Amino acid sequence: TQLLEQSPQFLSIQEGENLTVYCNSSSVFSSLQWYRQEPGEGPVLLVTVVTGGEVKKLKRLTFQFGDARKDSSLHITAAQPGDTGLYLCAGERGYGQNFVFGPGTRLSVLP
Amino acid sequence: ETGVTQSPTHLIKTRGQQVTLRCSSQSGHNTVSWYQQALGQGPQFIFQYYREEENGRGNFPPRFSGLQFPNYSSELNVNALELDDSALYLCASTPISLRGFEQETQYFGPGTRLLVL
Repeated sequence: TQLLEQSPQFLSIQEGENLTVYCNSSSVFSSLQWYRQEPGEGPVLLVTVVTGGEVKKLKRLTFQFGDARKDSSLHITAAQPGDTGLYLCAGERGYGQNFVFGPGTRLSVLP
Repeated sequence: ETGVTQSPTHLIKTRGQQVTLRCSSQSGHNTVSWYQQALGQGPQFIFQYYREEENGRGNFPPRFSGLQFPNYSSELNVNALELDDSALYLCASTPISLRGFEQETQYFGPGTRLLVL
């Protein structure tokens, strides 16, 4: 069973549309990270959220950490083809950088 | 580009063989973690090395072992390969200076894609 679940599993949208992807768990994490991974490459960190209820914005991307530090969301405004990729969330279980990854949401933005 | 390099980029082995994968961490990074990413799934934590010692291990059998060298580079060894070991193997390095007291970013390498036939 997955400690972290992500939804939707796949998402295909047109350029300019908005979207939200979700990361959910029954466990509490000390921090949560979002990564984007492109084919043939390793994941690249987008953001780290630490405080329950925290909202971080990175240009057109908005990340939110749930109040109970069990879930998170990523909202993309006006998606572009360059946003295409696998979006992974990873929760840190205490200190020591032991991260648990979700299965990812594969996003395709069509021009 | 993160500065983390892995070799080889691709590898084909047969069941029962042994494999060694290598990772050179980014300069100044003293912690290396290894992950297995099966097709269509997220990375699964294998283990982490800090100052040449194993520091945390995921749910992987003992035939998965590793080393970290004084220059902080690392190896992942897998014995008695099974078909299910086919995956992308990722290493990630972290510049932890005050371990456990601050958030640090993991920098991933591009991975080694292993195919077991």
